[in-house]
Amino acid sequence: KNEVEQSPQNLTAQEGEFITINCSYSVGISALHWLQQHPGGGIVSLFMLSSGKKKHGRLIATINIQEKHSSLHITASHPRDSAVYICAVGTGNQFYFGTGTSLTVIP
Amino acid sequence: DTEVTQTPKHLVMGMTNKKSLKCEQHMGHRAMYWYKQKAKKPPELMFVYSYEKLSINESVPSRFSPECPNSSLLNLHLHALQPEDSALYLCASSQPDYGYTFGSGTRLTVV
Repeated sequence: KNEVEQSPQNLTAQEGEFITINCSYSVGISALHWLQQHPGGGIVSLFMLSSGKKKHGRLIATINIQEKHSSLHITASHPRDSAVYICAVGTGNQFYFGTGTSLTVIP
Repeated sequence: DTEVTQTPKHLVMGMTNKKSLKCEQHMGHRAMYWYKQKAKKPPELMFVYSYEKLSINESVPSRFSPECPNSSLLNLHLHALQPEDSALYLCASSQPDYGYTFGSGTRLTVV
């Protein structure tokens, strides 16, 4: 069993739709990260969370420590949001990645 | 400077070549990491350096040799690689409470 589980694995949305990606983890963490990776590209850190909620532009990330669950929301989705979104949790010097959610936003 | 810089961005090497990947950060992060990522898979941890000392080596073949010459630099020396070593090699750095910062990666092709 993976330490970090994401759902869905693949997601296709129409431009403008509200998108939610979910992440559950099974280890004790110091922080949870949401990462974005465009095809063939490097990884960009979107959020680091240890509690509550963070917002950056059209992106919102929430975490529930008791339930070991986090969500990434994208409002008013746009084709440029098409990428793989990865949930990862950090415990000291260890970093566990989810398998990623591949998002395609269609114009 | 809030970036992790990796060079080169692309590298093609033969199986008998020796090459090095370079990673640099000037954020004062004291932990640095090498990851290997195959297509459509999450990154796999290779090495962790903490305060310039190798703290984690995830059973990586000896044809990959990491080096941390100082707190800002991390190298990955490559020798006698196999075609299956072709992948995206990502460097990252971290500091407690400040999260992880990833480089944009080196796309390595072994021919």
